[in-house]
Amino acid sequence: QLQLQESGPGLVKPSETLSLTCTVSGGSISSSNHYWGWVRQPPGKGLEWIGNIYYSGTTYYNPSLKSRVTISVDTSKNQFSLRLDYVTAADTAVYYCARVLVVPDYWGQGTLVIVSS
Amino acid sequence: DIQMTQSPSSLSASVGDRVTITCRASQGISSYLAWFQQKPGKAPKSLIYAASSLQSGVPSKFSGSGSGTDFTLTITSLHPEDSATYYCQQYNSYPWTFGQGTKVEIK
Repeated sequence: QLQLQESGPGLVKPSETLSLTCTVSGGSISSSNHYWGWVRQPPGKGLEWIGNIYYSGTTYYNPSLKSRVTISVDTSKNQFSLRLDYVTAADTAVYYCARVLVVPDYWGQGTLVIVSS
Repeated sequence: DIQMTQSPSSLSASVGDRVTITCRASQGISSYLAWFQQKPGKAPKSLIYAASSLQSGVPSKFSGSGSGTDFTLTITSLHPEDSATYYCQQYNSYPWTFGQGTKVEIK
């Protein structure tokens, strides 16, 4: 059974960098059939797609975040990562990682990241 | 960006009712439309992709239809465990965008 688990700091200071890792178990991140993605959800609000990455490193980002976001993949560790620079309070959200087969079909449980000094 | 608009924003229905949620895209997206269910404190769960294809393991009480700009999610025979927020999402073009959600409550 495929499982995804987000990890990283739960508190980040304004103007600093948010870094999260998604560890994939029960399957290979190098599968040619899948992308891997990040979605976030501010408290009490809706879902926002952040970006996708293919195991080869090809990425697609939301233009609203594009200048600040980097998604990378480490096939040796079966992990992919999210980096969001210059965060503000508006980046406070639950961050989900997901496997993408056409659409996100397996999700991590999500991790709350609060941006506050 | 393609805007996705869901209606209603919330609804209350009785056990056994049939419920329909509508999702409208600001431009044509063919059938590149997915539906997700999210319960409080949980990750979204994929229900439907390609507008009407059921994800593996999803009960047939859920069905989707539509193409172009107008789509519907129908839940037949509503049960208490169907209480959740439902989101549509287009994947016709990047950036992928979600509807604002429809909260389904049980009377």
